Amino acid sequence: SQTIHQWPATLVQPVGSPLSLECTVEGTSNPNLYWYRQAAGRGLQLLFYSVGIGQISSEVPQNLSASRPQDRQFILSSKKLLLSDSGFYLCAGAQVGRGATNEQFFGPGTRLTVL
Amino acid sequence: QQQVKQSPQSLIVQKGGISIINCAYENTAFDYFPWYQQFPGKGPALLIAIRPDVSEKKEGRFTISFNKSAKQFSLHIMDSQPGDSATYFCAASIQGAQKLVFGQGTRLTINP
Repeated sequence: SQTIHQWPATLVQPVGSPLSLECTVEGTSNPNLYWYRQAAGRGLQLLFYSVGIGQISSEVPQNLSASRPQDRQFILSSKKLLLSDSGFYLCAGAQVGRGATNEQFFGPGTRLTVL
Repeated sequence: QQQVKQSPQSLIVQKGGISIINCAYENTAFDYFPWYQQFPGKGPALLIAIRPDVSEKKEGRFTISFNKSAKQFSLHIMDSQPGDSATYFCAASIQGAQKLVFGQGTRLTINP
């Protein structure tokens, strides 16, 4: 079975500081990977997705960037955090290829607070 | 046309009652309709999913009803329990597509 690992679990950062959130996947090869943000009490906003190493699609223009340096590693970054970057960040993965459904499996999330 | 509209935004049900959450879509090319359950501070987890070749799918107390002509699908939770209190998201996608389109979420509270 597939497992998504995310760290850190919680993070408090000052405005203007850099950010790096890491996501790794176990149990599948060459997955599609996704970064979502969830504001308090709100829905899931897709930020980035990747279909392979070095391939990143951005859904929402913003202060964030993503990279996929390895097949099972997905990183979310920012050079200078804004207050509006606060939220719950979720990494998700999906199997691809013959027989795969469109099911996405999610990690435990990172709670980011920008002060 | 890519939206999935979910209602209600919040729902309170008594223990033992039936919880019903509805979703509507426009894109007739959608052919995969999952429901996710999310507890506070956790990531969403797949609860149940349906494809449009069937009108209903049941797994334990959870049932998806699908109405292709109306472009609607709903989640029914029978004998609702306090442990079912969570946020529920419907979603839709096209087989082979890279993204899911999520509804806005429903916060369900089951009163004991």
